[in-house]
Amino acid sequence: KAGVTQTPRYLIKTRGQQVTLSCSPISGHRSVSWYQQTPGQGLQFLFEYFSETQRNKGNFPGRFSGRQFSNSRSEMNVSTLELGDSALYLCASRSLGGGREFMNTEAFFGQGTRLTVV
Amino acid sequence: AQSVTQLGSHVSVSEGALVLLRCNYSSSVPPYLFWYVQYPNQGLQLLLKYTSAATLVKGINGFEAEFKKSETSFHLTKPSAHMSDAAEYFCAVTLSGNTGKLIFGQGTTLQVKP
Repeated sequence: KAGVTQTPRYLIKTRGQQVTLSCSPISGHRSVSWYQQTPGQGLQFLFEYFSETQRNKGNFPGRFSGRQFSNSRSEMNVSTLELGDSALYLCASRSLGGGREFMNTEAFFGQGTRLTVV
Repeated sequence: AQSVTQLGSHVSVSEGALVLLRCNYSSSVPPYLFWYVQYPNQGLQLLLKYTSAATLVKGINGFEAEFKKSETSFHLTKPSAHMSDAAEYFCAVTLSGNTGKLIFGQGTTLQVKP
């Protein structure tokens, strides 16, 4: 069974540009979450999608957006890039959709996309 | 208040020594607790998770963690460190059953000296 796949692995962008990152979850997983990892702030939750709907969002500006397709693949977009957006962006998928059992379900992470803004 | 707190951003042990990585959780969060490991330039991999079936949880690579409600702790241990254990370790909690959001601790970098 293939794991969570994130593309591309590395990106270098210039301030002011926009970027789109892609995440393909494990087959059958419908919950996809995105996280930003930086040395200063650690791992921070961006948003989660389930069945093409965003059902939770972290405390990030509106420049960060995402979507999920009917095959559960997800993309996140960052517009008007700032130097501070340089980070490792991680995607995670889970097999269940909700409830107490879901809370205990393992999140499977991709290897991440390393974004550098110059 | 932080949902999970990891004490010590860096821990250094000698090869063969006991590994102890500390995690305390807020008593207001449901105890759906996880330990993840991250190797350089990699994503996160689950080491173990707490289930109400047992307070002592065994995970992969010889790691285990004990859930102590009275101390609101879920510390990670390994009896004998190996060089390959050098990595960053994260304690995490799920807060709600209707979201996949994980709240992570600040992370602890484990260094293993030969």
